[in-house]
Amino acid sequence: DAKTTQPPSMDCAEGRAANLPCNHSTISGNEYVYWYRQIHSQGPQYIIHGLKNNETNEMASLIITEDRKSSTLILPHATLRDTAVYYCIVRVPGGGYQKVTFGTGTKLQVIP
Amino acid sequence: GAVVSQHPSRVICKSGTSVKIECRSLDFQATTMFWYRQFPKQSLMLMATSNEGSKATYEQGVEKDKFLINHASLTLSTLTVTSAHPEDSSFYICSAISVSGKRQFFGPGTRLTVL
Repeated sequence: DAKTTQPPSMDCAEGRAANLPCNHSTISGNEYVYWYRQIHSQGPQYIIHGLKNNETNEMASLIITEDRKSSTLILPHATLRDTAVYYCIVRVPGGGYQKVTFGTGTKLQVIP
Repeated sequence: GAVVSQHPSRVICKSGTSVKIECRSLDFQATTMFWYRQFPKQSLMLMATSNEGSKATYEQGVEKDKFLINHASLTLSTLTVTSAHPEDSSFYICSAISVSGKRQFFGPGTRLTVL
């Protein structure tokens, strides 16, 4: 069973900020939050990850609540190429066996 | 950024044949590799986890004798679908974690169609 829940779909106007929420209420203290996106018929693409502080990179920003039970991925200026399924997962960094389960993700549709 | 490749990208085979899919980490060493399967309009389902030089750990419901995984080196893992049947038709995706362990990279996927 996935440890994260996300809304199944969202629309966003092109040029606007897309805010994608994720609930991970059972996250453990040493688990990070990772975000990936998958464009049709391709492998998932890494976006960003964080432990408890907010993070920003060239693709997106990640806001994690103080209790770490939820997070929001922000695409500041959505483009049509951002249309994809977005997944958030939680995992402990490091190799070895770890059952990382993907939930259903959020299908983001950017509208012209 | 780190790159994971898969070969082939697409394969069509007859029922009963075996198909091998290769997964390579191109510019980093991967201590752990994962194999996922994805059916149309569904999420990724973890099939197995493999560590270099040791046997793979299979998820419940995944037949280890049907889906053979070999992780012979830090840059290569293979998935062999033995005696493939039409219900094995799916999108197979591999993933690798670098030695540092903080990031998980995914391959582009292999579309398997069994006739």
